[in-house]
Amino acid sequence: GEDVEQSLFLSVREGDSSVINCTYTDSSSTYLYWYKQEPGAGLQLLTYIFSNMDMKQDQRLTVLLNKKDKHLSLRIADTQTGDSAIYFCAEGRDSSYKLIFGSGTRLLVRP
Amino acid sequence: EAGVVQSPRYKIIEKKQPVAFWCNPISGHNTLYWYRQNLGQGPELLIRYENEEAVDDSQLPKDRFSAERLKGVDSTLKIQPAELGDSAVYLCASSQGTPMAEQFFGPGTRLTVL
Repeated sequence: GEDVEQSLFLSVREGDSSVINCTYTDSSSTYLYWYKQEPGAGLQLLTYIFSNMDMKQDQRLTVLLNKKDKHLSLRIADTQTGDSAIYFCAEGRDSSYKLIFGSGTRLLVRP
Repeated sequence: EAGVVQSPRYKIIEKKQPVAFWCNPISGHNTLYWYRQNLGQGPELLIRYENEEAVDDSQLPKDRFSAERLKGVDSTLKIQPAELGDSAVYLCASSQGTPMAEQFFGPGTRLTVL
């Protein structure tokens, strides 16, 4: 079955690192994505990782993938107040356009 | 370059009334998606278009929902009649024509059914 799960809420202090976790169930997933949604806005793609990779780094963002455990994480270094938003992980397969989204993790960055 | 444009941004209607949402995708994007995002949830796909053809409408409640994409550019999503449970944000996204192409999302239309 298709199911993507995330913790609901994360609060960190400005300047600290944030780690947002996600688990998925579909072992045939080819791509895994992280999207950011700010209030009143649509989703913005932050980064993605192919399922044959275990890590991807993009400036302050680090994505770790444990394919055996079907666990995906997003680490944001030096978290800023502007990073406060809802973060969604999503899985997709190269044969399908369909993305399966998690319920989102609300990140609150305290000054 | 303009992003995905949606209107209206907000809509409040009484149950049993009809409602329509409009989407203008990014120029050159032949794939268009309509998603529904319930409060506290991630988006769920309702329908996907390739040009003017609806190629995946398996999640669209066809008894009350309809969509069209005339000329393969703009699209409208309609609900008739609306029910209380239809309150949600309706997101439109577009992408270039490959499965893993990035989907660009519009800001959505927040529908409240009273």
